[in-house]
Amino acid sequence: DGGITQSPKYLFRKEGQNVTLSCEQNLNHDAMYWYRQDPGQGLRLIYYSQIVNDFQKGDIAEGYSVSREKKESFPLTVTSAQKNPTAFYLCASSVNTFSGANVLTFGAGSRLTVL
Amino acid sequence: DQQVKQNSPSLSVQEGRISILNCDYTNSMFDYFLWYKKYPAEGPTFLISISSIKDKNEDGRFTVFLNKSAKHLSLHIVPSQPGDSAVYFCAAAMDSNYQLIWGAGTKLIIKP
Repeated sequence: DGGITQSPKYLFRKEGQNVTLSCEQNLNHDAMYWYRQDPGQGLRLIYYSQIVNDFQKGDIAEGYSVSREKKESFPLTVTSAQKNPTAFYLCASSVNTFSGANVLTFGAGSRLTVL
Repeated sequence: DQQVKQNSPSLSVQEGRISILNCDYTNSMFDYFLWYKKYPAEGPTFLISISSIKDKNEDGRFTVFLNKSAKHLSLHIVPSQPGDSAVYFCAAAMDSNYQLIWGAGTKLIIKP
């Protein structure tokens, strides 16, 4: 079955530590995205990538970093510079980014809690 | 500035009745509107979409209506079923800037 796999599902981190969230897709999609969801808010875009070795900042990129070395993989690192990292993180992919009608396929999410 | 607003945080509907979820937007340049459904601890899944050149799109029990003059769209679910209990997100995008703008979501509860 094609889809997106995010890991870990739950993650606890001490203040000052960097953590990396994994996102893998086998849909052969060109575009991949990272969103953050906080209670009572819509999804906010952190980073997106249209092709391998290229990525762009979204609305809330500060304190986060990404890489896109392979088409299938788009890991997100939450750095110690992120002031409020506790949130639910969602990875998504789409065929491309050329149309507003693109449907996104999401992973199951990773919940990060900073202790 | 919230460009996409879902003003009802939650909605409770009797099983078998119609569920109507509402969404308002401020940017008249949006070309597409999409509805996603999300269960707890899962990612959203695409439900239905509508282009700005249409005023209605139907898919089985789900119908989306678009009123461009009022900058308002609604999702109708008929009849409502227990499995419809979830959070529903409205999202909008422009062709010139594919980035989706999301509403805060409405939690739909279907009562037996």
